[in-house]
Amino acid sequence: GEEVAQTPKHLVRGEGQKAKLYCAPIKGHSYVFWYQQVLKNEFKFLISFQNENVFDETGMPKERFSAKCLPNSPCSLEIQATKLEDSAVYFCASTPMGVEQFFGPGTRLTVL
Amino acid sequence: KNEVEQSPQNLTAQEGEFITINCSYSVGISALHWLQQHPGGGIVSLFMLSSGKKKHGRLIATINIQEKHSSLHITASHPRDSAVYICADSEAGNQFYFGTGTSLTVIP
Repeated sequence: GEEVAQTPKHLVRGEGQKAKLYCAPIKGHSYVFWYQQVLKNEFKFLISFQNENVFDETGMPKERFSAKCLPNSPCSLEIQATKLEDSAVYFCASTPMGVEQFFGPGTRLTVL
Repeated sequence: KNEVEQSPQNLTAQEGEFITINCSYSVGISALHWLQQHPGGGIVSLFMLSSGKKKHGRLIATINIQEKHSSLHITASHPRDSAVYICADSEAGNQFYFGTGTSLTVIP
C-alpha cells in the first residue's frame, strides 16, 4: 500500500494481559521502525528491522517486549504481561532505505 | 549521544502572527525533519532538509549545519496551525532522534 497501516487503532488491556500490535509498511520499504510515545511529546525508539532482520534493537526493553517482521506478513510488536507504564501510543514507520520515514497513524494502548 | 532540543516548549500566538520554533542538535546528521502532530495523534512530515532553506505555503524551514541549528517559521499563522511541532534528526536507515516538541496554539 501507499500508506503505513497500523492495527488496531485502540487497544485496551488489563494489567498482566498480552498486547499485540501490527504494522504493514509501505510496499517496497525495507526498513521498519517502532516508536513509543509515552507522554504527549516524548518519543522513544524501540526497534528497527531491515526486511525480516533486526537492524537495531537498542531501545527495546529486554523483558516482555518482542517484535517480528516476517515475509508476506504485517510486522508485529508484542508485549507480554502488560504494565500500566506500557500505556502509550505506538507508532510504526517505514522507509525504502533513505532518511525520510513515513509514519503510520499509531496504536493507542491503554493498560488498566 | 544525540540530543535534540527544541524551544519554546509551549507557544501561544494571535492569528496572523509570525511564529518561529527553534531546534538544535548535538551530532552530525544526514537530515533534519520537521513533523506536525495534531490532537488525535497522526504524524505528518512537513520538511526534510540537510542544508539551506525550504518553503511550503506559509511554512519555511531553515538549517545551519555549522551551528547545528534549525528553525521552523510560520507566516500569517492561523488557528488550524495549532498542533505540536516536532523536530527530529536522523541518518540514513537509522532511528529518528526526536526533540521534545513545541505545542502551538493560535488564537483567533
